[in-house]
Amino acid sequence: AQTVTQSQPEMSVQEAETVTLSCTYDTSESDYYLFWYKQPPSRQMILVIRQEAYKQQNATENRFSVNFQKAAKSFSLKISDSQLGDAAMYFCAFATGFQKLVFGTGTRLLVSP
Amino acid sequence: NAGVTQTPKFRVLKTGQSMTLLCAQDMNHEYMYWYRQDPGMGLRLIHYSVGEGTTAKGEVPDGYNVSRLKKQNFLLGLESAAPSQTSVYFCASSQANTEAFFGQGTRLTVV
Repeated sequence: AQTVTQSQPEMSVQEAETVTLSCTYDTSESDYYLFWYKQPPSRQMILVIRQEAYKQQNATENRFSVNFQKAAKSFSLKISDSQLGDAAMYFCAFATGFQKLVFGTGTRLLVSP
Repeated sequence: NAGVTQTPKFRVLKTGQSMTLLCAQDMNHEYMYWYRQDPGMGLRLIHYSVGEGTTAKGEVPDGYNVSRLKKQNFLLGLESAAPSQTSVYFCASSQANTEAFFGQGTRLTVV
């Protein structure tokens, strides 16, 4: 079975600090995509960052970067210079055939001033 | 550019009633999906479609039906609603090798 595990139900960080959210996954496929989505209280699912499994270079989007370890099936998200607006639920997911998404259970990120 | 639009955004149903959720996308995407989100469980795939006139079952399809008569629309039907179907429903669309774009979600309560 293809699964995604987010072992941190909740994380806290102070403004301007750095936080890392963990994600591991299990799949027998060799070619796939990995994503981090953000869900603020508005409920909207917002793409944070994506990673193609065939690329060795870790993806980066402004303050957001990933540490992709394909052999270990690990895909963590690092948020640098945290801002109050980063507070949300964060979901790790990977895409199988036809871009069907398998999601983790999410990590709630709290940001304090 | 509206992206993915879901109708309605909120609904309360009585057990046994039926309803249809409508999803519309204006990005000419081939793939469309319906997910449900329950507390502590992330999003799970109900049904999906890889093109006009096609549908397929996802992880949790029981109690739901779908149709994709037009490329831009993907309908999710509940024939006889049950309290276990109380959830937040998300529609999404995608193309090959791209990320999924999500609608704003529909909060459905079955009493």
